[in-house]
Amino acid sequence: QSVLTQPPSASGTPGQRVTISCSGSSSNIGSYTVKWYQQLPGTAPKLLIYSNNQRPSGVPDRFSGSKSGTSASLAISGLQSEDEADYYCAAWDGSLSGHVFGTGTKVTVL
Amino acid sequence: EVQLVESGGGLVQPGGSLRLSCAASGFTFSTYDMSWVRQAPGKGLEWVSSISNSGANTYYADSVKGRFTISRDDSKNTLFLQMNSLRAEDTALYYCARHWGVWGKGTTVTVSS
Repeated sequence: QSVLTQPPSASGTPGQRVTISCSGSSSNIGSYTVKWYQQLPGTAPKLLIYSNNQRPSGVPDRFSGSKSGTSASLAISGLQSEDEADYYCAAWDGSLSGHVFGTGTKVTVL
Repeated sequence: EVQLVESGGGLVQPGGSLRLSCAASGFTFSTYDMSWVRQAPGKGLEWVSSISNSGANTYYADSVKGRFTISRDDSKNTLFLQMNSLRAEDTALYYCARHWGVWGKGTTVTVSS
C-alpha cells in the first residue's frame, strides 16, 4: 500500500493551472527529496521533477515542483491537452528502507 | 541511445518461478543504481526492489521480501529479478528503471492457474 497520498483526480481547462498534492511523513518526504512522474496511457512513467523542484532536460517549464515539510506539490501551468495523464510522486522512505510511490492522480483536460 | 529492454515475463502458476532480465545499452551500466517497479492492471506504481551500482546493497518491498532476488551482471549490462513462490497478487507489468530517469517498456507477469 502507498504511504504517499495524492488526490485521485484533478482537472482543468486548457490554459489553466492545476496543482497536485502529495502528502507523506517525516520518514519520507520530510527527510528525502521528492520526484514526480507522468504516465501517459499505455506508456512507461516519465521523470518530470527530481530533487523536489528540478526538471530534467526536455521537460517544459510549465511543470514545477515544490516541497514543504512532509508534503510536496506539482503544478502544471498553461494546461494542455497532452498533459492528460496519471501523475505520481515518489520518495525514499527511511523507515521502510525502500522507495515509495504516491497513490497517483489522474489529470483530465476539460 | 540510452535504452532498457525487459524480458522474461509470461504466464506462471501460483507457487512457480520466473526470472526477469533487463538489458541496458547506451550508458555505463555499472555506474548506476537500478530498480524494478511494477504496476498491476489498472493500478498505480509499486516499487519492488533496488540494487546499488556496486551490487553490494539491495533493497526489497515487504511484499516481495524473501521471495524475490535482485542481481546484476555488469559484464553483460544486465539487471535481473528472480521471482519465486509467485502469487496471484504479483501479476503486473514489471518495469526496469535506471535511477530514476530512464525506464524500459516493461514485461508482463501473469500468475494464474
